[in-house]
Amino acid sequence: RKEVEQDPGPFNVPEGATVAFNCTYSNSASQSFFWYRQDCRKEPKLLMSVYSSGNEDGRFTAQLNRASQYISLLIRDSKLSDSATYLCVVNMEYGNKLVFGAGTILRVKS
Amino acid sequence: EPEVTQTPSHQVTQMGQEVILRCVPISNHLYFYWYRQILGQKVEFLVSFYNNEISEKSEIFDDQFSVERPDGSNFTLKIRSTKLEDSAMYFCASSPDRNQPQHFGDGTRLSIL
Repeated sequence: RKEVEQDPGPFNVPEGATVAFNCTYSNSASQSFFWYRQDCRKEPKLLMSVYSSGNEDGRFTAQLNRASQYISLLIRDSKLSDSATYLCVVNMEYGNKLVFGAGTILRVKS
Repeated sequence: EPEVTQTPSHQVTQMGQEVILRCVPISNHLYFYWYRQILGQKVEFLVSFYNNEISEKSEIFDDQFSVERPDGSNFTLKIRSTKLEDSAMYFCASSPDRNQPQHFGDGTRLSIL
């Protein structure tokens, strides 16, 4: 089983749509969780940390389910500028390295 | 907003040559990292560095790789004898502590000929 698994997409959605991404991770002792976005040939940029209680930042909502080892990201009212690859990232318990999923491609079209 | 800076943005080198990639982490951060991303593939961890020593490294980080913090600001990755398969984007990252989010530099594209 992959350490961090994501649906690669692509998700093609119209502007204004709501889209949800999911991610699963294999190590139950993982400590911290993040969503990063990556534009083509650019560096990963932190979108938000993910907490068990769920957290929201504007149009973005992230959820963590530790029992199911599942992380989600919801984007409401999609903008053209949201087009990117969304990376599910987990900080494993046994070290301070980030483990990245392969990413989910989002394309928002007008 | 403070940021991680990397130089050069693009490095082209002959196979077998040594390369040094440079990074200036965010000034009050204590943990430093190198990652790489081969074109079309996911971001992979190479090494983490704290308190002037390596705290963790991956299988990719073999004897050909080394890291150094030569002064109070720079953090370098050296590849001693480059191979074709070292061609990738190399990202430096830093964080204030081990569970805080890591902030990435804009990368060095390494092309081995």
